Amino acid sequence: VVMTQSPHSLPVTLGQPASISCRSSQGLVFSDGSTYLHWFQQRPGQSPRRLIYTVSNRDSGVPDRFSGSGSGTDFTLHISRVEAEDVGVYYCMQGTHWPPAFGQGTKLEIK
Amino acid sequence: EVQLVESGGGLVQPGGSLRLSCVASGFTFSSSWMSWVRQAPGKGLEWVANIKQDGNEAYYVDSVKGRFTISRDNAKNSLYLQMNSLRPEDTAVYYCASRTSFKDWGQGALVTVSS
Repeated sequence: VVMTQSPHSLPVTLGQPASISCRSSQGLVFSDGSTYLHWFQQRPGQSPRRLIYTVSNRDSGVPDRFSGSGSGTDFTLHISRVEAEDVGVYYCMQGTHWPPAFGQGTKLEIK
Repeated sequence: EVQLVESGGGLVQPGGSLRLSCVASGFTFSSSWMSWVRQAPGKGLEWVANIKQDGNEAYYVDSVKGRFTISRDNAKNSLYLQMNSLRPEDTAVYYCASRTSFKDWGQGALVTVSS
């Protein structure tokens, strides 16, 4: 399964919303009915951090300005109001099909 | 607080071997699938291998099959990656991560394969 993110680079003004798209080459619904599509943030010089799991569930400690949506093959990470600490690279990842696969990443920067 | 601490990285010549370790704390290690994920310099994330809770099932990305071996010691809350026949393209930061959804990550261990 190939995961394709867009855009590759995302300049955003502080306080403005942002969206990152992730498209999979195959549907991501598993036989148990769950969709194993997750989102990760990697700030400069840091390890990745999971933000969203199974499409739309926010991890503990993740600000509620982050949300996930989508189904089938099309998914989106939304940031309602971008803050300076959101700078970094964002990855989607599918765990439905073997092998697990990440998107190529979207670099969010402040305009 | 969950902690994953990798060690064992370093500089190795092509064809050489290295063993990475990851010590886990703050969660029930023996109940969790565990994975290794790597990131080449300036590149994205690539899943490398994962192992079931009891260690009886393990899976690998095609590019490392036959060269890398993932293992675990639940008594020591530890995960390992034995890397043999290393190639320059294996140069990366190697992260251990918990569960099949990569819930928690370590700080990473840098492996450099170069002559």
